[in-house]
Amino acid sequence: EPEVTQTPSHQVTQMGQEVILRCVPISNHLYFYWYRQILGQKVEFLVSFYNNEISEKSEIFDDQFSVERPDGSNFTLKIRSTKLEDSAMYFCASSVTKDTQYFGPGTRLTVL
Amino acid sequence: GIQVEQSPPDLILQEGANSTLRCNFSDSVNNLQWFHQNPWGQLINLFYIPSGTKQNGRLSATTVATERYSLLYISSSQTTDSGVYFCAVMNAGNMLTFGGGTRLMVKP
Repeated sequence: EPEVTQTPSHQVTQMGQEVILRCVPISNHLYFYWYRQILGQKVEFLVSFYNNEISEKSEIFDDQFSVERPDGSNFTLKIRSTKLEDSAMYFCASSVTKDTQYFGPGTRLTVL
Repeated sequence: GIQVEQSPPDLILQEGANSTLRCNFSDSVNNLQWFHQNPWGQLINLFYIPSGTKQNGRLSATTVATERYSLLYISSSQTTDSGVYFCAVMNAGNMLTFGGGTRLMVKP
């Protein structure tokens, strides 16, 4: 069964550094998403992406965040200058249309 | 924005017991999904159920959209059912709004 994959599974970085989280959505899906979950809290929406542009973003998704689909298979989330409070599990998801979203296994980001 | 409340927040069961988890939402929805977050943090799709009833093995779900709630039933629970169960809804745009989850522990 096709699935969403994410790399790396765990990333440790120093405060102020840039990180890029990578995702490979399911191949025939058209909508792509990033969510995050701070330890012990609920999952929060960051951004959705469709037709090579951002279709929706939350208040969390400020100027330090960006997304890109650099080729036909990868979908990336960049955090330009990481802060301690960016430490969280980041989930990528994809869907064919605006129905079932399938989530990847997550990247645990630790900012020191 | 839409509010999603799940109950109970915590649940402890003996293996073999049945349980019902509830999700209330504050507005009409066009998408509702139930997820199981396993101990490794992975979010596993259980159901896409904006309305009606579905069953998958020991799990079943019912959404009554007109009354703004959904129920997840777990029968004959097993220790592998332990984890956090999330309800997530979509009512505008294409973002899912998650509830706070129900943390389930099944004891052998």
